[in-house]
Amino acid sequence: NAGVTQTPKFQVLKTGQSMTLQCAQDMNHNSMYWYRQDPGMGLRLIYYSASEGTTDKGEVPNGYNVSRLNKREFSLRLESAAPSQTSVYFCASSEMVGTQYFGPGTRLLVL
Amino acid sequence: QKEVEQNSGPLSVPEGAIASLNCTYSDRVSQSFFWYRQYSGKSPELIMSIYSNGDKEDGRFTAQLNKASQYVSLLIRDSQPSDSATYLCAVLDSSYKLIFGSGTRLLVRP
Repeated sequence: NAGVTQTPKFQVLKTGQSMTLQCAQDMNHNSMYWYRQDPGMGLRLIYYSASEGTTDKGEVPNGYNVSRLNKREFSLRLESAAPSQTSVYFCASSEMVGTQYFGPGTRLLVL
Repeated sequence: QKEVEQNSGPLSVPEGAIASLNCTYSDRVSQSFFWYRQYSGKSPELIMSIYSNGDKEDGRFTAQLNKASQYVSLLIRDSQPSDSATYLCAVLDSSYKLIFGSGTRLLVRP
């Protein structure tokens, strides 16, 4: 089992460009999450999906959109990237509340 | 705003010592608490969960919870250089979302 996979691993964007971060899990978990991690800020929840077909905003949703494509896949889209979105993005999945399994992360630099 | 506070460190301990990592939280109704370990450049992984006041032991790790004081701690006995990492405290809020602290960096000196 691969667990939680994310693509791409690294990305450099120019301000105003768009991109989609992909996440997939093979653990048959219902819940999936997108976090960003910035130095000194810990992990902050962007969006989450409690089950297939549902999505909800987290702490820092502005500038992002998500799609729960099916039970396995949860994508995060930046429509018009800004330098403030430079961060490390983690996808996670869970079946039991609080017990989350994280992907390897995507390092995004917006110039 | 719900908060989870941790000292950023680094906390430096010699090999074989006990490392004590602390966390305080602001939401009095929180019932579930977690410790995640994150190696540099890697993703977080769950190492401990605790739900009741008192101690919970798992190998060299002991989680301690005091809900009255809104305080959670993680003790690592016989610390090893491989324990050097950032430890994230997380609290489950009333809407079942995890609120993470900013983490404490632990350095175990050989």
